[in-house]
Amino acid sequence: DAGVIQSPRHEVTEMGQEVTLRCKPISGHNSLFWYRQTMMRGLELLIYFNNNVPIDDSGMPEDRFSAKMPNASFSTLKIQPSEPRDSAVYFCASSLWVSGTQHFGDGTRLSIL
Amino acid sequence: ELKVEQNPLFLSMQEGKNYTIYCNYSTTSDRLYWYRQDPGKSLESLFVLLSNGAVKQEGRLMASLDTKARLSTLHITAAVHDLSATYFCAVEETSGSRLTFGEGTQLTVNP
Repeated sequence: DAGVIQSPRHEVTEMGQEVTLRCKPISGHNSLFWYRQTMMRGLELLIYFNNNVPIDDSGMPEDRFSAKMPNASFSTLKIQPSEPRDSAVYFCASSLWVSGTQHFGDGTRLSIL
Repeated sequence: ELKVEQNPLFLSMQEGKNYTIYCNYSTTSDRLYWYRQDPGKSLESLFVLLSNGAVKQEGRLMASLDTKARLSTLHITAAVHDLSATYFCAVEETSGSRLTFGEGTQLTVNP
């Protein structure tokens, strides 16, 4: 079975550019999570969805970040405009239900120059 | 707000030795997860502990849960180099809610 699929795997872009990260959850999973991981702050939950509806976006750092889940098989995390401090590994995870075992994608390693 | 604390945060041990990683959390919860992350890789689920007194074992790793003490342990027996990774615990905040992750314990097993 395919796991959680994230794209791109790596992204290098210049400050001020728009960045879009994509995630395809495991089929049948109802909950989707976006995390950011850095050495300084560890693993941070940015936002999560249940049945395509955003439930808690309190971890989104600021208005430059937005996330959507237009259907059960696709989600995006967008940063506009990007800044060097946004450089991190962004993980998407999905689970059958909100408190179920989360299955993580391979992550997107984002570098903002 | 749920707080999840792991200790130690960094652990260097020799092959063949035993050690325990601790995960304390600040509110009542009956569901706790352990994850492993290899350097540069994603997180992989290791164990799910669903009730007080639950114990799960796989290979040299054994996890247990004491909900009264709000404590989970991950015990490593006769460590081998392949166990070098970062280990996270994650706790369900309230029934049916999202998980809160600990800071992670970076384990290095030296030959």
